[in-house]
Amino acid sequence: AQSVTQLGSHVSVSEGALVLLRCNYSSSVPPYLFWYVQYPNQGLQLLLKYTSAATLVKGINGFEAEFKKSETSFHLTKPSAHMRDAAEYFCAVSGLNTGNQFYFGTGTSLTVIP
Amino acid sequence: DTAVSQTPKYLVTQMGNDKSIKCEQNLGHDTMYWYKQDSKKFLKIMFSYNNKELIINETVPNRFSPKSPDKAHLNLHINSLELGDSAVYFCASSETGRRTEAFFGQGTRLTVV
Repeated sequence: AQSVTQLGSHVSVSEGALVLLRCNYSSSVPPYLFWYVQYPNQGLQLLLKYTSAATLVKGINGFEAEFKKSETSFHLTKPSAHMRDAAEYFCAVSGLNTGNQFYFGTGTSLTVIP
Repeated sequence: DTAVSQTPKYLVTQMGNDKSIKCEQNLGHDTMYWYKQDSKKFLKIMFSYNNKELIINETVPNRFSPKSPDKAHLNLHINSLELGDSAVYFCASSETGRRTEAFFGQGTRLTVV
């Protein structure tokens, strides 16, 4: 079975500081991995995805993530946080082993302190 | 144009009622999903459906049923609503078997009183 674990349900950073949101996956085969963002009272929007091409993936709004097979991780980073980055972030996994379903982590709420 | 649209956006109803949430996608995708997001923001898949197969999460009560009149629509019917059904319900769609993401609707906030 495939799953993802997000460490830290709440992360606070100062504006301009590095953002690091952690995601570890569990899979017997190479998975497809995604990061989504959810702003208040809105749906989920894709930030970036890993589908077995380049291990360093760049997404929208200055975010990027690196797929590390040795660490089974897919952490999300942004060099400099902005107030507008405050939101809920979800890591997700899909693939043939999931019946093409998307399974989400428990989410990380990012607070940006001015 | 909205890729995945849900109606209504808000739904307030009494316990015991039956209600439906509609979902439509104009992306040409062949798989659609329903997710439930609880008050702690946990996203739980309820159903995935394409023209070949319905996959039901075993924890979903049989009061919930998906209805798909065609490939572009997947409606969610809920019978005998309970207080615990209060949540935000998201519809999503994707292309089966491809390395693409799921696209989400804006959600329907269901409140059972």
